[in-house]
Amino acid sequence: IAGITQAPTSQILAAGRRMTLRCTQDMRHNAMYWYRQDLGLGLRLIHYSNTAGTTGKGEVPDGYSVSRANTDDFPLTLASAVPSQTSVYFCASSADRNTEAFFGQGTRLTVV
Amino acid sequence: AQSVTQLGSHVSVSEGALVLLRCNYSSSVPPYLFWYVQYPNQGLQLLLKYTTGATLVKGINGFEAEFKKSETSFHLTKPSAHMSDAAEYFCAVSVQEAGGTSYGKLTFGQGTILTVHP
Repeated sequence: IAGITQAPTSQILAAGRRMTLRCTQDMRHNAMYWYRQDLGLGLRLIHYSNTAGTTGKGEVPDGYSVSRANTDDFPLTLASAVPSQTSVYFCASSADRNTEAFFGQGTRLTVV
Repeated sequence: AQSVTQLGSHVSVSEGALVLLRCNYSSSVPPYLFWYVQYPNQGLQLLLKYTTGATLVKGINGFEAEFKKSETSFHLTKPSAHMSDAAEYFCAVSVQEAGGTSYGKLTFGQGTILTVHP
């Protein structure tokens, strides 16, 4: 089934460790996004990529980095995790700027 | 900058009753508005969207929403609730930027958890 695959589904991480959340889509969508979901705050955009080779900062980019080497993959890296990065992370993609965004199943990250 | 406020973090209805989930937005330009649904331990699924044209938009699963510019609202309704409607619902507005509007760059509300009682 075509869609977005996120890995891992959940992770407990020690503070200070580096972590990469993986996101792969097989729909050949141009645009991809990373959001974090926190109780009472809804979802907030971390980083985005309108097309392979380009990235941009969203609302809450500090402490996170992304890369977009090809169309299908959009990994999110936490260089040195802190407890405030405990959250559920969602990857999303859309065919282009003016089409619906599809979301992955999420990665639940706990930083201790 | 855009913002979204969902009135009521929890809404409880009886099966068969009207569902009304409230959403107000703030935007300096004509907004593109969305409602997403999230079932437990799943990602978000688009219910419906308003971009231009008819202000009453119909979505999946019998939901609809009406864009009211004068009230800066985009409330979600369903005439008769089903048990399967129990989920969290998010209202969102697209981020405006120099190159235009991106459907994927969204500002979300806080979410409303809908509970449906038998």
